[in-house]
Amino acid sequence: DQQVKQNSPSLSVQEGRISILNCDYTNSMFDYFLWYKKYPAEGPTFLISISSIKDKNEDGRFTVFLNKSAKHLSLHIVPSQPGDSAVYFCAATGTYKYIFGTGTRLKVLA
Amino acid sequence: NAGVTQTPKFQVLKTGQSMTLQCAQDMNHNSMYWYRQDPGMGLRLIYYSASEGTTDKGEVPNGYNVSRLNKREFSLRLESAAPSQTSVYFCASKTGPGNTIYFGEGSWLTVV
Repeated sequence: DQQVKQNSPSLSVQEGRISILNCDYTNSMFDYFLWYKKYPAEGPTFLISISSIKDKNEDGRFTVFLNKSAKHLSLHIVPSQPGDSAVYFCAATGTYKYIFGTGTRLKVLA
Repeated sequence: NAGVTQTPKFQVLKTGQSMTLQCAQDMNHNSMYWYRQDPGMGLRLIYYSASEGTTDKGEVPNGYNVSRLNKREFSLRLESAAPSQTSVYFCASKTGPGNTIYFGEGSWLTVV
């Protein structure tokens, strides 16, 4: 029973355009959500997070949106750059346990 | 600033052998985690330790044991390795509830 789902294994976007990565969750006890970026042969690195009391959080080119009623969050990257090409994981937590999705491989085409 | 350090980085084991993956963090974090990453499966939580002296099972604990040796160190042990445990293992840590978790560089384990 997967509590955090990323239904798109991969996404290709032209440089300069918007990348939208999606994530769904099932556990209504989750109250904090995060996005991580992962390059090959490296550990995941934190990108941006959002608390359940908010519906939007921005950090430079990255914005995370949270729709609690739909149990859905999304990561927007604008404008997309070739260096953004990586695997992106969403994660959710309600206490000490952090549950991750299966990841979306983003490829930004120059 | 080392952050989260894992050893070894690479290991090849024969089926049935045992080994321990070591993890240490220098950020004075309370909570520590072990995840495994497999193709198409994402990052799955094996065990975690909310604070020194406590450990709890995650999503995929079977075949593993852990020890929270002190606040800095959290080890993962495979008592009798199986090919299904071939994976990349990541250790992580964080301060308190609701905060960011920080990952190590990973340990590549192959069981033949």
